[in-house]
Amino acid sequence: NAGVTQTPKFRVLKTGQSMTLLCAQDMNHEYMYWYRQDPGMGLRLIHYSVGEGTTAKGEVPDGYNVSRLKKQNFLLGLESAAPSQTSVYFCASSKVAGGETQYFGPGTRLLVL
Amino acid sequence: GEDVEQSLFLSVREGDSSVINCTYTDSSSTYLYWYKQEPGAGLQLLTYIFSNMDMKQDQRLTVLLNKKDKHLSLRIADTQTGDSAIYFCAESLSGTYKYIFGTGTRLKVLA
Repeated sequence: NAGVTQTPKFRVLKTGQSMTLLCAQDMNHEYMYWYRQDPGMGLRLIHYSVGEGTTAKGEVPDGYNVSRLKKQNFLLGLESAAPSQTSVYFCASSKVAGGETQYFGPGTRLLVL
Repeated sequence: GEDVEQSLFLSVREGDSSVINCTYTDSSSTYLYWYKQEPGAGLQLLTYIFSNMDMKQDQRLTVLLNKKDKHLSLRIADTQTGDSAIYFCAESLSGTYKYIFGTGTRLKVLA
């Protein structure tokens, strides 16, 4: 039982390049989330999903897209990376929302030059 | 609006108690959480309290909730060097997908 896993762990991109971050969970959770963590700002929600085939915008969605084609996977895409997207990205999942514990992945550290 | 605030730093000596404080603004919280983040790692759930409780104790951890003042605290007894980390307070809002996180408190334990 791996919980929530994320790939890659670290990546360096040049401005304008694209990439996809993969999150996988093996707990059969309905809800999945992508956050970014920046110094002094806590965690900010980028996008979330309430089930397979659904996605919705969070607090800071601009510049990102997501897909949830399979229940266990939640992908975060950057179509044209910008230095402002340098951050640590965390994926999380929960069984339901509004009170159920979120489980976090180990994070992906992204540097955009 | 929804906001969760924490002080940024706390330094204590090994063996002392640590108290990390958090204030929140939304009164529709369902649960309030404490997460621990060690360097280079994700957030690990330490404990949580249901919003209609006043206190929860779990081994060295004691959570106190003052609903009137919207104040949450985490007390760590007999603090050890392994407790050095960033501690995040968070709340989940009733009937929504939202989890609101504080900025995190960096706890440094001095030997």
